[in-house]
Amino acid sequence: KNQVEQSPQSLIILEGKNCTLQCNYTVSPFSNLRWYKQDTGRGPVSLTIMTFSENTKSNGRYTATLDADTKQSSLHITASQLSDSASYICVVSGYSGTYKYIFGTGTRLKVLA
Amino acid sequence: DVKVTQSSRYLVKRTGEKVFLECVQDMDHENMFWYRQDPGLGLRLIYFSYDVKMKEKGDIPEGYSVSREKKERFSLILESASTNQTSMYLCASSVGLAGGRSSYEQYFGPGTRLTVT
Repeated sequence: KNQVEQSPQSLIILEGKNCTLQCNYTVSPFSNLRWYKQDTGRGPVSLTIMTFSENTKSNGRYTATLDADTKQSSLHITASQLSDSASYICVVSGYSGTYKYIFGTGTRLKVLA
Repeated sequence: DVKVTQSSRYLVKRTGEKVFLECVQDMDHENMFWYRQDPGLGLRLIYFSYDVKMKEKGDIPEGYSVSREKKERFSLILESASTNQTSMYLCASSVGLAGGRSSYEQYFGPGTRLTVT
């Protein structure tokens, strides 16, 4: 069964600290993996996208890694800011007749001053 | 920048009412999607469309229908709203090839929070 699991479900950190969010998937065949940021009451916005051959991609203070062998990805946030408070969603797409987007349930991050 | 807009941010309807949720994108994208998002669950696909007048059922199409008369507009219809359809509804669009054979990035609208009482 195609699944995307994220951990932790929620996380509270102090402003300025780093954190790492995890995403494990069992989607096959694999096409790409995206991390989205979703502010409360808003639609998700893309942070990074990674294909099978990529193992690291950065977007400012956000760095995503992908290990296609173990089917794991992580999103590392450096020097967190209050504006990083949001849900972070991992989405894996794969093709079997048609493309499917498999969404994780997200990690809710709260950054405190 | 891609822009996906949804007709309402918040909507309150009564049980049994017919509800229309509208989505418009301005980037000439072939694919459009409707999802619902509930606490503790990932986004779940209701319907998607890969071309004008074309539609395919997603994972949870029961109780919903869709319409795509123009490329830029994709409507979600709740024929007879029920309380279990209270949710956040998200529309998305992406570049795509015919038949939805694409894994291009999806661009999301701001969402419509629907409450059915």
